[in-house]
Amino acid sequence: AQTVTQSQPEMSVQEAETVTLSCTYDTSESNYYLFWYKQPPSRQMILVIRQEAYKQQNATENRFSVNFQKAAKSFSLKISDSQLGDTAMYFCALISNFGNEKLTFGTGTRLTIIP
Amino acid sequence: DTGVSQDPRHKITKRGQNVTFRCDPISEHNRLYWYRQTLGQGPEFLTYFQNEAQLEKSRLLSDRFSAERPKGSFSTLEIQRTEQGDSAMYLCASSARSIGGNEQFFGPGTRLTVL
Repeated sequence: AQTVTQSQPEMSVQEAETVTLSCTYDTSESNYYLFWYKQPPSRQMILVIRQEAYKQQNATENRFSVNFQKAAKSFSLKISDSQLGDTAMYFCALISNFGNEKLTFGTGTRLTIIP
Repeated sequence: DTGVSQDPRHKITKRGQNVTFRCDPISEHNRLYWYRQTLGQGPEFLTYFQNEAQLEKSRLLSDRFSAERPKGSFSTLEIQRTEQGDSAMYLCASSARSIGGNEQFFGPGTRLTVL
């Protein structure tokens, strides 16, 4: 079985500051994918960033970057120059490359950007 | 809009009634997923289709739940004899054929309230 743990239920940060959301996971698979999804209030979930486990280089997407520590099974998300539109629930998720492609989600971190 | 759509967006029903939800995936996507999200939790996998074949069902999907994807296009999720514990957001997602790790695109969800 695979698990994803997000230990920060809520976070808040001033606009334009940098914030880091934490995520740890556990899986017995050697190859897998990790994701951060964003769920804005009353809006649908969208993909923020994806990391393939066999790639050592950390993924980046504009203001979003990850710190992937495979040995520690840690996958944190850094948001730079935070904007009001970043206010949302953020979910860390894991998918195995073998068998089905179901996502296993963490419990989420509610991020609020303060003007 | 060519994203994933779900209907209805909200459903209020009385305990014991049957309900049916519909999901229309992105047209070229052959994989379709159903997840359930309760308050304060991340989405949990329910079931997965590849084309018209239902390939996996979670143990969360009791005998009262049934899902179909006729002709590999839209999908329906039916809950019979609803219980208050079925109250949740039901999310549908779709993805394209891939070896693994492809992005799942989520619909807006159907929020079910069982009175």
